[in-house]
Amino acid sequence: EVQLVESGGALVQPGGSLRLSCAASGFTFSSYWMHWVRQAPGKGLVWVSRINEDGTGTRYADSVKGRFTISRDNAKNTVYLQMNSLRAEDTAVYYCARVYCSGGSCSSGFNYWGQGTLVTVSS
Amino acid sequence: QSVLTQPPSASGTPGQRVTISCSGSSSNIGSNTVNWYQHLPGTAPKLLIYSNNQRPSGVPDRFSGSKSGTSASLAISGLQSEDEADYYCAAWDDGLNGLYVFGTGTKVTVL
Repeated sequence: EVQLVESGGALVQPGGSLRLSCAASGFTFSSYWMHWVRQAPGKGLVWVSRINEDGTGTRYADSVKGRFTISRDNAKNTVYLQMNSLRAEDTAVYYCARVYCSGGSCSSGFNYWGQGTLVTVSS
Repeated sequence: QSVLTQPPSASGTPGQRVTISCSGSSSNIGSNTVNWYQHLPGTAPKLLIYSNNQRPSGVPDRFSGSKSGTSASLAISGLQSEDEADYYCAAWDDGLNGLYVFGTGTKVTVL
């Protein structure tokens, strides 16, 4: 069974840093891109970042580019999101997600999600 | 600010059919497949439709998706009370240096 478990969410002051983790199990982690998606209170879903299978390719939403860094440790089956220079608008539930694959091919839809971890940026 | 536009709300009575639109551009919907998600507060989003019109196993056939040009739509037939949720379309956007974009979201209310 595929499982994604996020951790690391906390209350942090503006300008502070935080590292989120997403521990994966139930699938060959090193074979999949991984994504982070967030939802601010009362707002919609927003894609944050993605990383390719071996960690050599990353992309970021404009709102976090230069402040957030996604990485992965395939030996630990874990993807990370290092968040620096945090702002109030980064307050959100952060989810990690994996695409849906069936019959040997993968779609662009995220079928596996973690339960989310809450990041609150406030003084 | 999302590049995929959805109506903020939609509603219907039990048993009715509800359709949600998603308007994009040539760089996202026009050149990539569309996915649809259902999101209930306090839970993880659920993939309803992938690759424009495919349902993952376990998703009822009451949910269907379609795409034409730079727009897509999700239809819910035989509306049920448990369908009351937020719905989001999503797609890759080639014009944004390879970023994934969600729609603005539509709140479906079962009257």
